[in-house]
Amino acid sequence: DIVMTQGALPNPVPSGESASITCQSSKSLLHSNGKTYLNWYLQRPGQSPQLLIYWMSTRASGVSDRFSGSGSGTDFTLKISSVEAEDVGVYHCQQFLEYPRTFGAGTKLELK
Amino acid sequence: EVQLVESGGGLVQPGRSMKLSCAASGFTFSYYGMAWVRQAPTKGLEWVATISYDGTSTYYRDSVKGRFTISRDNAKSTLFLQMNSLRSEDTATYYCTRDWGNNYFDYWGQGVMVTVSS
Repeated sequence: DIVMTQGALPNPVPSGESASITCQSSKSLLHSNGKTYLNWYLQRPGQSPQLLIYWMSTRASGVSDRFSGSGSGTDFTLKISSVEAEDVGVYHCQQFLEYPRTFGAGTKLELK
Repeated sequence: EVQLVESGGGLVQPGRSMKLSCAASGFTFSYYGMAWVRQAPTKGLEWVATISYDGTSTYYRDSVKGRFTISRDNAKSTLFLQMNSLRSEDTATYYCTRDWGNNYFDYWGQGVMVTVSS
């Protein structure tokens, strides 16, 4: 199975500051079709997860441009510029390259 | 508006069975693969099973293979998860999700809680 390892945030993050969340996969998620099958989800307190970023760097519909995804085949970063109250929650990375689909353990963002 | 509404959860004894349902609306259900993802209390997300748009292909995580069955009724736009021989470690909130072309889960239900305990 592909293991997804997420980094922690130095919480709490001051409002208006930027925050970067890292995720590492145990296998390259770069497919021969050129797409990197790494997704990011945000789960706000008490809510279901919502898709933020897919194919490593493509924002989902309706997602603020304060969110950006980048990386290589195995190392990925979700950057949130100018953190706001609505960004509070747990961020999950996930690989969609192969079965079983696997998630990272989640990274919690708290606001100062 | 896409909606996924799970039902069928609750308290069940170890070794017993339970069937979850997910009613889909707001999109052409038969065009999309669907999946179940669970989250144990205070834990991360865990993929459980996926079914193809036409039901001919199914995929399971190892820990539920042979115990859980994912299925669908395209005429009724409903997804199912039959869970047999339940264990305490199956205790979790179960989410129904839409699989967009084997790329990502783009819509999620509100989740249904399953508690396995005597």
